[in-house]
Amino acid sequence: EDQVTQSPEALRLQEGESSSLNCSYTVSGLRGLFWYRQDPGKGPEFLFTLYSAGEEKEKERLKATLTKKESFLHITAPKPEDSATYLCAVQAFGDDKIIFGKGTRLHILP
Amino acid sequence: ETGVTQTPRHLVMGMTNKKSLKCEQHLGHNAMYWYKQSAKKPLELMFVYSLEERVENNSVPSRFSPECPNSSHLFLHLHTLQPEDSALYLCASSQDPGLTDTQYFGPGTRLTVL
Repeated sequence: EDQVTQSPEALRLQEGESSSLNCSYTVSGLRGLFWYRQDPGKGPEFLFTLYSAGEEKEKERLKATLTKKESFLHITAPKPEDSATYLCAVQAFGDDKIIFGKGTRLHILP
Repeated sequence: ETGVTQTPRHLVMGMTNKKSLKCEQHLGHNAMYWYKQSAKKPLELMFVYSLEERVENNSVPSRFSPECPNSSHLFLHLHTLQPEDSALYLCASSQDPGLTDTQYFGPGTRLTVL
């Protein structure tokens, strides 16, 4: 069964304190792995799509990486406005569904 | 309007009521989705429509009835709901469900069933 597990469930960091969020996945054949950001009371906002192991993508203070078993979302020198829930999702070949993890709630303290 | 819009943003209904959620996408996409987001649970896919045809139905109870009259509009008709159906209902769209296309989400409808 295809699965997505995100860790930690919640993370509190001081402003400027870099860290990484983990997304472990089990899927028969990975078509794509997605990272989304979700603010309270809002829909998820797309951040990145990764397709193959070794691929990396960056956007401002965020960098996503992918291996054959997991993805990391690295956040460098975060600011309070980076506080949100970060969702990871995967899509398998031959499947229209996208499976989401439960997310990591990130709180950046000023 | 741009992106994906949903109305209403908040809805409170009794178990015997009938109501509908509306979603509209202004992106020219061909696929639309309904998701349910409950506290402490992952996003759950409910329905997928591609070019106005339902292609996926994840064993959703019949008290939820989707309708896709055209590629820009998606409805979720609700009747005889249960309190456990209270959740954030999210609509999304993508260019094509068969490819690894980014899904663009609306802001959601916060549903409370009394």
